[in-house]
Amino acid sequence: AQSVTQLDSQVPVFEEAPVELRCNYSSSVSVYLFWYVQYPNQGLQLLLKYLSGSTLVKGINGFEAEFNKSQTSFHLRKPSVHISDTAEYFCAVRRSNDYKLSFGAGTTVTVRA
Amino acid sequence: DAGVIQSPRHEVTEMGQEVTLRCKPISGHNSLFWYRQTMMRGLELLIYFNNNVPIDDSGMPEDRFSAKMPNASFSTLKIQPSEPRDSAVYFCASSLGTGLNTEAFFGQGTRLTVV
Repeated sequence: AQSVTQLDSQVPVFEEAPVELRCNYSSSVSVYLFWYVQYPNQGLQLLLKYLSGSTLVKGINGFEAEFNKSQTSFHLRKPSVHISDTAEYFCAVRRSNDYKLSFGAGTTVTVRA
Repeated sequence: DAGVIQSPRHEVTEMGQEVTLRCKPISGHNSLFWYRQTMMRGLELLIYFNNNVPIDDSGMPEDRFSAKMPNASFSTLKIQPSEPRDSAVYFCASSLGTGLNTEAFFGQGTRLTVV
């Protein structure tokens, strides 16, 4: 089985400041990693994904994440946030031979002017 | 494509009543998932269909919950009888298979309140 831990439940940040959301996972087999964003009263939207290859993955809206196999982490970063980035962010893991997405508990990002 | 369409967006019902949630996946997608989101438990996979066949329903919490997929373009999740602890946001997601580049697309969810 795999599990996903998002280390921060709430992250307040000022506009134009950088933000990093931490995600660690555990799995006995190789995995695919995802970050989803959920805006208020909306469904989940894929930000980016790591399947293989380069460990630095770039996604939509200026977000990027780095896969670190030795530390079993997949932290999400954005160098300069906007008010519109206020949302909940979910890290998710799927085993390479499985269909199930396991989600972390989510991190709420609140961007203030 | 309009994406994954769920209805209703909001549902308020009394305890003991039957509730039916509906989902229309993206045309051409052959995998469909029902998730439940609560503050306490986060996002939980309830059931997964592939080519209209239920593959894994181990996440369905109780016999009060049932799901069907009569054809490739429609699925329902039914709760009978409903209880206050079923209050949650229920998401449907679809994807094109479960291969390497598969991405799950989510609907906007149904917010269920059982009073």
